[in-house]
Amino acid sequence: AQSVTQLGSHVSVSEGALVLLRCNYSSSVPPYLFWYVQYPNQGLQLLLKYTSAATLVKGINGFEAEFKKSETSFHLTKPSAHMSDAAEYFCAVSWANFGNEKLTFGTGTRLTIIP
Amino acid sequence: DAGVTQSPTHLIKTRGQHVTLRCSPISGHKSVSWYQQVLGQGPQFIFQYYEKEERGRGNFPDRFSARQFPNYSSELNVNALLLGDSALYLCASNGGTGVANEKLFFGSGTQLSVL
Repeated sequence: AQSVTQLGSHVSVSEGALVLLRCNYSSSVPPYLFWYVQYPNQGLQLLLKYTSAATLVKGINGFEAEFKKSETSFHLTKPSAHMSDAAEYFCAVSWANFGNEKLTFGTGTRLTIIP
Repeated sequence: DAGVTQSPTHLIKTRGQHVTLRCSPISGHKSVSWYQQVLGQGPQFIFQYYEKEERGRGNFPDRFSARQFPNYSSELNVNALLLGDSALYLCASNGGTGVANEKLFFGSGTQLSVL
């Protein structure tokens, strides 16, 4: 079965430090890849998505992710963490056929920023 | 413009009861998807509807059903509620253009508690 694995359910970094959230997928066919963020009591907001146009994808709020087919990975990074980055982050994949945009999500990583 | 709106925001039911959750997509969006997010886990796909027709169904029992109306709003129905149905139910919409990685816009969800 196709799946998404997020390594580390909790990640803590100091304010100003590098943020690295890991995501690996299992598929012989490269999927469409996404990172979503969820703030408390809110829905999901798209940070970025891989569209196959470029392996390094830049998203909102200074986040970026690199697609590595050989490693089946799509890790999320941000050079300098802000307090406002504290949230839950979800990696998601889609092997959508026409008109079916089903997303399969990972279990999430809770990011804590240490002042 | 209004985003995806869901009602109610919170709901408490008892085992065996029935529940109806409602979703209004962003104006102009024709596709609506439903996801279940159990505490501590990533969202799981339940249904996708486009132009009132079911386009996809996740691995959920027949107690779960949905429909989409001519104005593209949608209802998710759950019969014979179980304790395990307690979760945040998220609705998402997009244009349904069939582009495989088309962005999904999520609502803030309905928090269902089954006692």
